[in-house]
Amino acid sequence: DGGITQSPKYLFRKEGQNVTLSCEQNLNHDAMYWYRQDPGQGLRLIYYSQIVNDFQKGDIAEGYSVSREKKESFPLTVTSAQKNPTAFYLCASSIDGTATEQFFGPGTRLTVL
Amino acid sequence: DAKTTQPTSMDCAEGRAANLPCNHSTISGNEYVYWYRQIHSQGPQYIIHGLKNNETNEMASLIITEDRKSSTLILPHATLRDTAVYYCIVRPATSGTYKYIFGTGTRLKVLA
Repeated sequence: DGGITQSPKYLFRKEGQNVTLSCEQNLNHDAMYWYRQDPGQGLRLIYYSQIVNDFQKGDIAEGYSVSREKKESFPLTVTSAQKNPTAFYLCASSIDGTATEQFFGPGTRLTVL
Repeated sequence: DAKTTQPTSMDCAEGRAANLPCNHSTISGNEYVYWYRQIHSQGPQYIIHGLKNNETNEMASLIITEDRKSSTLILPHATLRDTAVYYCIVRPATSGTYKYIFGTGTRLKVLA
């Protein structure tokens, strides 16, 4: 089955540690995205990538980093510089960067202790 | 970017039609209206989108007013599994316009 996988579903880390969230898609989509969601809020864009080896900052990129070395993978690193990292992180992909639907993964809930 | 306004919450009886309104009075001519929903602790799911004509698919219908300043998502026969947060989003159709602006959406509760 085609889709987007994120792992793990729940992640706990100590304050000051970097942590990398995985996102893989087998939909052959060019564009991939990372969003953050806080309780009772909508989604906010962290980073996006329209093509392999290229990515752009979204609205709240500070304290995060990404890479796009392969079309199917777009990992997100939450660094110790991110002041409030505890949140629900969602990865998405779309065929390209135009007005097409985005397919979302199941999300990773990160808790920093 | 055009913004949207939705009611915070709505209730609907199971089996009845759920009509979810959205105002987007600053929408531009090349911006589409998209609807997504998010069931608790899952990723959002695409429902439907449209430009100016009404649209229907197996999940829902989308009614866009003639002036395009508002729209209504219709779930014709709501079930308990339709309980979710519904997001109305407007987005340009041009290449490279990656951004969805998700507001806080409408929390729909379908009652048995």
